[in-house]
Amino acid sequence: GQQLNQSPQSMFIQEGEDVSMNCTSSSIFNTWLWYKQDPGEGPVLLIALYKAGELTSNGRLTAQFGITRKDSFLNISASIPSDVGIYFCAGRYMEYGNKLVFGAGTILRVKS
Amino acid sequence: DSGVTQTPKHLITATGQRVTLRCSPRSGDLSVYWYQQSLDQGLQFLIQYYNGEERAKGNILERFSAQQFPDLHSELNLSSLELGDSALYFCASSGGGNSPLHFGNGTRLTVT
Repeated sequence: GQQLNQSPQSMFIQEGEDVSMNCTSSSIFNTWLWYKQDPGEGPVLLIALYKAGELTSNGRLTAQFGITRKDSFLNISASIPSDVGIYFCAGRYMEYGNKLVFGAGTILRVKS
Repeated sequence: DSGVTQTPKHLITATGQRVTLRCSPRSGDLSVYWYQQSLDQGLQFLIQYYNGEERAKGNILERFSAQQFPDLHSELNLSSLELGDSALYFCASSGGGNSPLHFGNGTRLTVT
């Protein structure tokens, strides 16, 4: 099946710093989703993107659907301790029957 | 609260046994998905149902089966359990099409 390349695998940053993570693929996607998972809980939807070039914000989070439709990034501004968790990207692409594919996740640790 | 309910929250059982995990989707969602997440792993897609019919199959073992009932709740049956089946099992639901998935808080299965 199609793989999404999510990077970085993990990050350890200072409180107050901005964070950026991204997902790339060799295939064209028609939907990008970003989720956050806290320990012992289910992934929670952060942002959904449906059009190439779309830029959407949710509080301190901003995500963009890449123009080529093969990538997406998520930025977190002014990180705080509660941003700790695993961030997953997920995407749908036509060649895979519109099924949802998940990236391997980015583990975010914040040092206060 | 995502609106997706999973029971039980925790399950401890012995090898060789059979268990049933239950999921109630968000009100109005016709699609139900099952995912497995092992320790420090990503989300592995198992199976999807739409309005009672199997829609897509992922990396689901033959020892595992699922179904979606007329009231749209779903059950995941795991049989002949092995130690390696210990994991978090998540259910997610969506309204179909490009709608995002909304996850429950999972069932943590421990096989001893």
